[in-house]
Order: sequence, then structure tokens, then C-alpha cells
Amino acid sequence: GAGVSQTPSNKVTEKGKYVELRCDPISGHTALYWYRQSLGQGPEFLIYFQGTGAADDSGLPNDRFFAVRPEGSVSTLKIQRTERGDSAVYLCASSLGPRATEAFFGQGTRLTVV
Amino acid sequence: KQEVTQIPAALSVPEGENLVLNCSFTDSAIYNLQWFRQDPGKGLTSLLLIQSSQREQTSGRLNASLDKSSGRSTLYIAASQPGDSATYLCAVGGNKLVFGAGTILRVKS
Repeated sequence: GAGVSQTPSNKVTEKGKYVELRCDPISGHTALYWYRQSLGQGPEFLIYFQGTGAADDSGLPNDRFFAVRPEGSVSTLKIQRTERGDSAVYLCASSLGPRATEAFFGQGTRLTVV
Repeated sequence: KQEVTQIPAALSVPEGENLVLNCSFTDSAIYNLQWFRQDPGKGLTSLLLIQSSQREQTSGRLNASLDKSSGRSTLYIAASQPGDSATYLCAVGGNKLVFGAGTILRVKS
């Protein structure tokens, strides 16, 4: 597609449930990033994929969070046993490669845990 | 640990003014610096990317500078318009982007 696509755009879930957030990067981009943004703050890094492998997952807050990118394209961020504190906008970005290349962001998924 | 600070946190100006947004970072070992715009409830739109070897980049009414040694970047917006109203985010790039909290800009008509 022309840009980074994230689905769903909004997700409301009950505390304790499992959710999956999907990111479809720009075709040909090998690097994919997940960020989380709370109200009034800048995005915070969660995880970075180079191809199929997670090159850096140091931003994942705990073991309830997991992400995959099995074929080096689409990625899914998975959150188990959701908590109200997980409510935020989850942003995905992709770039041609790591480091010095420009990152392009999707519109985000607004997750609300009630 | 890289930390990015943006000043001011918010700015309100009349239409037509030239303005400067500031970004500072603590670790000068960066690959690039990127400025983004974010409209309410939306994702991030890339405005300018400055590689670590560059001093500035220009796009239309926007000019961004980078002084890596002092850990500073500025985004200059010329002849501001109400449509420029948004949050502007600065991010420094290593293996990942580290963001500042943003500057909320309001341009009054």
C-alpha cells in the first residue's frame, strides 16, 4: 500500500482480555517499529524488527506484551491480560532499513481498556 | 540513555509570524534527527529528516538545523498559517527513534 496501515483504528476491551493489533508496513520496508503514546507525551519505543526477527525488544514493558513478524512484512502486537494502564495509542512505523533511513508512521490504534 | 527535550511545550502566535521550535538531546551519537507533525487524534507525518553528517534541511516554509556536537536542533517555520497548528515532535535516531514530548503550536487567524 501507499502508507503504513494499522488495524483496528480503535479497540475497546475489558480488563483481563487479550488483544491483537495489526500493522501493515510500506512494501519493501525491512525495518518495523512499534511505539506507544500516552496523552500529552511523545511516542515511547516498544520493539523493533529487522526482517522477521526482533532486533530490539527492550521497550516492551513486561511479558504480557509480545510482537511477531513471521514473514518480514505484517506485524502483530499482542497484549495478554490487558490492564487499564495499557490504554494508549499504539503506533507502528516502517523504514527502508535501520538507523539512518526515514521512518513513516501509521495512523495508530487507540486502545481503551475498561 | 538518550533523552530528548523540546522547548517550548506550547506556543501561540498570530498568523504570519516566523517561529522557532527547539529540540535538545543528551547523547550526540545519533544517526539522524527527524521532525514530525501530529494533528489531534492522528498519526505522525514526517516533515524533515537530517542525517548526522548534515547541518540543515529545508522543505517549503520549513527549515531544520542540526548541531550534533551541542545536542541541539531547531525547526524554523516561516510565515506561519492557521493550518500549521499541530503538535511538532522531534526524534533522534540510533537503532530506534527517541522522541521528545512535543511542542503544541497554535497559529491564530
